[in-house]
Amino acid sequence: GENVEQHPSTLSVQEGDSAVIKCTYSDSASNYFPWYKQELGKGPQLIIDIRSNVGEKKDQRIAVTLNKTAKHFSLHITETQPEDSAVYFCAATGAGSYQLTFGKGTKLSVIP
Amino acid sequence: EPEVTQTPSHQVTQMGQEVILRCVPISNHLYFYWYRQILGQKVEFLVSFYNNEISEKSEIFDDQFSVERPDGSNFTLKIRSTKLEDSAMYFCASSGQGADTQYFGPGTRLTVL
Repeated sequence: GENVEQHPSTLSVQEGDSAVIKCTYSDSASNYFPWYKQELGKGPQLIIDIRSNVGEKKDQRIAVTLNKTAKHFSLHITETQPEDSAVYFCAATGAGSYQLTFGKGTKLSVIP
Repeated sequence: EPEVTQTPSHQVTQMGQEVILRCVPISNHLYFYWYRQILGQKVEFLVSFYNNEISEKSEIFDDQFSVERPDGSNFTLKIRSTKLEDSAMYFCASSGQGADTQYFGPGTRLTVL
């Protein structure tokens, strides 16, 4: 089945700096890659997603890039703000499946 | 904005007892999912449900687990005889189509004593 690795596990940045979180996946047929933000005591909230027919997608301060050849995708947050502090999960769906396989998460701390 | 809701927010039970976790998916969605997250670990897929039957299930989803859509709005997860290791956050999710974005509920924290 699909395996998703996520790095780093923790990330601290100064407010206003950029943050980058990287994930790799194992199933070359995977075609959907969402990113979720989880705040303490809450469920995962989708922040951006990308499909395998697109290399990059941007939504205001958040962007995701996908490299199908290398089987990795990354989340980029620019101009970070304290409210960006949370745990971020990447995920992927394997071939012929709708189940999401999640990475282990990255705890992002934005220091004011 | 439509959202997935879950009840209860926290459930405490004794080992060996049955629990039912409830979810109300987004109203026009067709695919429903249960995931769980043991404290400090990643979110793990349990089961997906479409057209009144299970579409996929993981190895975690053994005979102790069952799902049901008893009416047009609710989607439930039943654990027949809870074990200590069932303690986790259980998330319900729904999507309009199978390949669509999955929207997660706030979760139910299950504590098995």
